[in-house]
Amino acid sequence: AQSVTQPDIHITVSEGASLELRCNYSYGATPYLFWYVQSPGQGLQLLLKYFSGDTLVQGIKGFEAEFKRSQSSFNLRKPSVHWSDAAEYFCAVAPLWGGYNKLIFGAGTRLAVHP
Amino acid sequence: DVKVTQSSRYLVKRTGEKVFLECVQDMDHENMFWYRQDPGLGLRLIYFSYDVKMKEKGDIPEGYSVSREKKERFSLILESASTNQTSMYLCASTTQGGDTGELFFGEGSRLTVL
Repeated sequence: AQSVTQPDIHITVSEGASLELRCNYSYGATPYLFWYVQSPGQGLQLLLKYFSGDTLVQGIKGFEAEFKRSQSSFNLRKPSVHWSDAAEYFCAVAPLWGGYNKLIFGAGTRLAVHP
Repeated sequence: DVKVTQSSRYLVKRTGEKVFLECVQDMDHENMFWYRQDPGLGLRLIYFSYDVKMKEKGDIPEGYSVSREKKERFSLILESASTNQTSMYLCASTTQGGDTGELFFGEGSRLTVL
C-alpha cells in the first residue's frame, strides 16, 4: 500500500541549531514529493517540492530537502533554526501521472524551538 | 496572492445537526478539495471537485457530502453531525493540469460536535 512515514512525531531543537526532519515513502514508482508547513492557527503552505532532476531541492524560508531513491526518503533540512520555524511539518507524495486527489500526507512532525 | 477563505474558523454543533462548511477561492482554480486533519493521522481527503457540479469521493467520504455550484465555492456538508466528526477541516485549491504541485490551503475550520 502507498504510504508516507514521518518517524518523529515531536522534535525539539534549540534556536540556531540544525534541523533534519525525516520522511520515508512506500510507492510503486518514484512519485512527486512535497514538504508543507503549518504554522499555529494557519493552513498548510508549500515549502518545497521534487519532481525530477537535481535531488537536492531548495525551498522557501531557508529549507532544503534531499531525495534519495535508494532509501525512499525525502528528508527536510535547515542549517540554523529560527524561533519562527516552530510549526508542524508534513511530507506528502503524489503519483507522477498527476492527480492531486491522490496526494498522500504523512502524519506530521511537530517542531518546537527553544530560545 | 492566492486566497482560500473558510468562512467559519470555529464551530460547535450538537449531534444530529446539519453542518455547512464553506470555502471560497479567488484564483479561478478548477480543483478544490476538502481534507480532514486529525492528530497522528495527517490529512485525509474527504472529497474533491475538478469542475462546477463535478465531484469525486476521496478516502473518507462517509458521512459527508459536497456542493460546487460556482467555480469559486466548494461546500462541505455534514447531513447529521456525529461526535466522531469532531476535527479540523481544511479546504484547498489548485489549478487544473498545473505542474507546480502546490495546493493552496485555507486556515481551517475547527468543528466540535457535542
